[in-house]
Amino acid sequence: EAGVTQFPSHSVIEKGQTVTLRCDPISGHDNLYWYRRVMGKEIKFLLHFVKESKQDESGMPNNRFLAERTGGTYSTLKVQPAELEDSGVYFCASSPRQGSHTGELFFGEGSRLTVL
Amino acid sequence: RKEVEQDPGPFNVPEGATVAFNCTYSNSASQSFFWYRQDCRKEPKLLMSVYSSGNEDGRFTAQLNRASQYISLLIRDSKLSDSATYLCVVNIEGSARQLTFGSGTQLTVLP
Repeated sequence: EAGVTQFPSHSVIEKGQTVTLRCDPISGHDNLYWYRRVMGKEIKFLLHFVKESKQDESGMPNNRFLAERTGGTYSTLKVQPAELEDSGVYFCASSPRQGSHTGELFFGEGSRLTVL
Repeated sequence: RKEVEQDPGPFNVPEGATVAFNCTYSNSASQSFFWYRQDCRKEPKLLMSVYSSGNEDGRFTAQLNRASQYISLLIRDSKLSDSATYLCVVNIEGSARQLTFGSGTQLTVLP
């Protein structure tokens, strides 16, 4: 069974440009999460989808970040316009609905974003 | 103060050694506790959940002290393949909505 896949694995852009990151969760997983790790810091929660609905977006840093999950399958995270402090690794994770309370999230390998 | 604090290490230990990692959390309402493992430039993966009664999985033992808000992970008979970053993770909300991660403790097991 395919795991969580993320694209691109690495993106290098200039400040002010736009980048869209994509996440394909494990098939059938209702819960989809975005996390971010900036250099030297801990992994931090961005937001949580249950199917296509945003359940919690309290971790989104500002309105330059927009996440969508149309149809409840894959998700995109757009950063527009990108700033230097947005550089980091963006992780997507998913979990099945019935597993929501076990704490096991299945992570993708992350999308590394470098803003120059 | 960080919500989840860990000693960043690095811990460099010889094969066969026993090593212990500690973690403290600040929110007394935290309900679930986990250790995740992350290999270099890879994704975090669940290593084990942590229960108040303590739990063991092979060479790995996890302990939780709710009164002290303290979590530990003990690795016995270290293997080269144990080299990784170990992340202490706390569920603040009592659901899987929002896991809070420590910054991780780096372990290198030396031959």
